[in-house]
Amino acid sequence: SQQGEEDPQALSIQEGENATMNCSYKTSINNLQWYRQNSGRGLVHLILIRSNEREKHSGRLRVTLDTSKKSSSLLITASRAADTASYFCATDDNNDMRFGAGTRLTVKP
Amino acid sequence: DAGVIQSPRHEVTEMGQEVTLRCKPISGHDYLFWYRQTMMRGLELLIYFNNNVPIDDSGMPEDRFSAKMPNASFSTLKIQPSEPRDSAVYFCASIRWELGNTIYFGEGSWLTVV
Repeated sequence: SQQGEEDPQALSIQEGENATMNCSYKTSINNLQWYRQNSGRGLVHLILIRSNEREKHSGRLRVTLDTSKKSSSLLITASRAADTASYFCATDDNNDMRFGAGTRLTVKP
Repeated sequence: DAGVIQSPRHEVTEMGQEVTLRCKPISGHDYLFWYRQTMMRGLELLIYFNNNVPIDDSGMPEDRFSAKMPNASFSTLKIQPSEPRDSAVYFCASIRWELGNTIYFGEGSWLTVV
């Protein structure tokens, strides 16, 4: 069964705009991670936020975590066409790594 | 390190045939995961191993699916007999848990069963 669930399922924006994706999960976690998948490729780790952290930044990425609501958001600022990909959240529940269905982001040039 | 290596990258096979997918995890990693990805079902965890021992195979869809990890550097996922609904991308991934659980994925094996 899947742990994290992302929304929206698909998001289309213009280059330069910000993109926000959300993830909800069901059980307690040690940390939550976001991954990116380009079409036809494997997933690549973007950022990890621990359960005792509320916000984390990495370049144009900003991740927030609200453990009381069991939710996280990924913000990509000043988007570029190269950010077009699918984005997944993942949680570590009992040492297995489960992913949501992902958000398909399209950034139009 | 070369990363997680999967083979074959693409396979087209006829229904009823046996399919074997192979994975070489990153050296030193102690967890190995097999996932299946389809448009309909997303990314599903099939099975994972810790130190070559299967820990949770509850995601394996049917008895037609089996996975082994005979040593720390090799794992196989076998489907026998294959069916068209098994068509998907199969990913192998590995982690060294004590270093933090960033999971490293292979490039996937694209399976088409006709």
